[in-house]
Amino acid sequence: SQQGEEDPQALSIQEGENATMNCSYKTSINNLQWYRQNSGRGLVHLILIRSNEREKHSGRLRVTLDTSKKSSSLLITASRAADTASYFCATNKAAGNKLTFGGGTRVLVKP
Amino acid sequence: DTEVTQTPKHLVMGMTNKKSLKCEQHMGHRAMYWYKQKAKKPPELMFVYSYEKLSINESVPSRFSPECPNSSLLNLHLHALQPEDSALYLCASSQVHHGLLNTEAFFGQGTRLTVV
Repeated sequence: SQQGEEDPQALSIQEGENATMNCSYKTSINNLQWYRQNSGRGLVHLILIRSNEREKHSGRLRVTLDTSKKSSSLLITASRAADTASYFCATNKAAGNKLTFGGGTRVLVKP
Repeated sequence: DTEVTQTPKHLVMGMTNKKSLKCEQHMGHRAMYWYKQKAKKPPELMFVYSYEKLSINESVPSRFSPECPNSSLLNLHLHALQPEDSALYLCASSQVHHGLLNTEAFFGQGTRLTVV
């Protein structure tokens, strides 16, 4: 099974609204990363949050990490049509350089 | 240069063909990855090379054969593939520190493979 599971699987919002997606994982991690993918092309890194961090911000993105619940969330504020994409969380386990992806959330931002 | 370059972008091959996918990066990253992604699914890890040595093989069938000729190049040799192997194949690279992945991975745009 996937190390990270995401919900919701799909999200449709109006431009200007916020989008929140969640990721849960099963084993101890070194860090958790969020990626974006447009139309089945390459993935673009958004944010990396380490296991000893609880929250990080980057522009309109806010990521939280709760290691006690083994979960993370990605918030996109003031969404734009250009934010339409699939968003994946990926976990790096406590040992090694393996990066395992969750199921992903497809976000549609309507203009 | 923060690019990972994959060639070709598209590939159609028959089940008896032999082909290779290529991946190149010049960021000095010492970990390189192959992922397979089916439509509307997450990327699935296939192989990890660390310092040019194969460190992870996720029980991938032997019809997929990875090769890392040097620290900048990663190949995936394909032979006797099946139609269900049709997918987007993604290459990625990252820095490693003491064997750990502490920074982001950089992905190429992928090779869209169709097996007929």
